[in-house]
Amino acid sequence: GQQVMQIPQYQHVQEGEDFTTYCNSSTTLSNIQWYKQRPGGHPVFLIQLVKSGEVKKQKRLTFQFGEAKKNSSLHITATQTTDVGTYFCAGRTRGGGTSYGKLTFGQGTILTVHP
Amino acid sequence: DGGITQSPKYLFRKEGQNVTLSCEQNLNHDAMYWYRQDPGQGLRLIYYSQIVNDFQKGDIAEGYSVSREKKESFPLTVTSAQKNPTAFYLCASRTEETQYFGPGTRLLVL
Repeated sequence: GQQVMQIPQYQHVQEGEDFTTYCNSSTTLSNIQWYKQRPGGHPVFLIQLVKSGEVKKQKRLTFQFGEAKKNSSLHITATQTTDVGTYFCAGRTRGGGTSYGKLTFGQGTILTVHP
Repeated sequence: DGGITQSPKYLFRKEGQNVTLSCEQNLNHDAMYWYRQDPGQGLRLIYYSQIVNDFQKGDIAEGYSVSREKKESFPLTVTSAQKNPTAFYLCASRTEETQYFGPGTRLLVL
């Protein structure tokens, strides 16, 4: 079945340093989504990427979707303590018995930011 | 105030007992989902429903059951057949692009 691998599992940075998490799928994706989960909270949708090679920015966050639509990355510039949490990618493939396709989550990257 | 509510926030259960987790949404979404989250792992899909009176097994449905009698409600029952029920359970609903999660229920089996 479809697998979505995310690395690294943990990342510790000093405030002001950059951070990147990578997501790789075993199959070609129709789109990929990114979520953030604060400690003790629930995942919150950040963004969806659909097109091959797509790049989207949200303030200090930059999201990329690979040309082959099998990998993606999230890069945070100059991290702040408010960035702490777990970042998940979720890849969607068509079919899987649903009209929306099947969404498979990566294991997440836990980001710690030291002030 | 629109959104997804889950209750209770924390739930304790004795081994061998069934327990039902509530999930309600007022977003008028057709599709609803139940996920399980364990430490160090991503979200794993238990069951999903695309429309009232219809639901499908996800990747880890064994030991769980659901119902979808109303559009707004998608309760999950954790049965005694679930061998490792202690986890964080998340309910979600979605539009075509965005999936919205509830606050979750932490289930602890004693």
